Amino acid sequence: KAGVTQTPRYLIKTRGQQVTLSCSPISGHRSVSWYQQTPGQGLQFLFEYFSETQRNKGNFPGRFSGRQFSNSRSEMNVSTLELGDSALYLCASSPRPLNAGAEAFFGQGTRLTVV
Amino acid sequence: GESVGLHLPTLSVQEGDNSIINCAYSNSASDYFIWYKQESGKGPQFIIDIRSNMDKRQGQRVTVLLNKTVKHLSLQIAATQPGDSAVYFCAENQAGTALIFGKGTTLSVSS
Repeated sequence: KAGVTQTPRYLIKTRGQQVTLSCSPISGHRSVSWYQQTPGQGLQFLFEYFSETQRNKGNFPGRFSGRQFSNSRSEMNVSTLELGDSALYLCASSPRPLNAGAEAFFGQGTRLTVV
Repeated sequence: GESVGLHLPTLSVQEGDNSIINCAYSNSASDYFIWYKQESGKGPQFIIDIRSNMDKRQGQRVTVLLNKTVKHLSLQIAATQPGDSAVYFCAENQAGTALIFGKGTTLSVSS
């Protein structure tokens, strides 16, 4: 059974640009959640999608957005990139919504560097 | 604010010792807790979970203890091995929201 796949693995962007990251969940999983990981702030929740609907959103500015498609694949978009957006972006999939107490399986992440 | 935190940022043990990694949480409404292990260059990996109606749960070489009275969570690793070296995160699942992670404890196992 394939795991969670995130693409691309590495990305370098310039300040002011926008970026789209992709996450393919484990087959059959309908929940996809996104996280930002930095050395200073640790792992922070961005948002969760379940059956194409955003269920929860963390404390991030509106420049961070996402969506989920009917096949459960999800994309995350960051507009007007800032240097502080440099981070490892992780997505996780689970068979049920996170607040149902479902185990989340993580991908290896996309390392975004903003210069 | 309410968050999940860890007592120690680093823990060094000898191979074969038992390791105990601690975590404190502040929201008594949290009802689901998870421990993750993250190795360098990889995403977090699920280790073990526990619900708030339990106080202990055992897995293979790992045990999670939950003390709701003092809002404390711990992960015990028996016979620690070099392959256990990683960063360990606790996370809580607050009702109506999603995973909130602690800062992480780096476990270093020496031979």
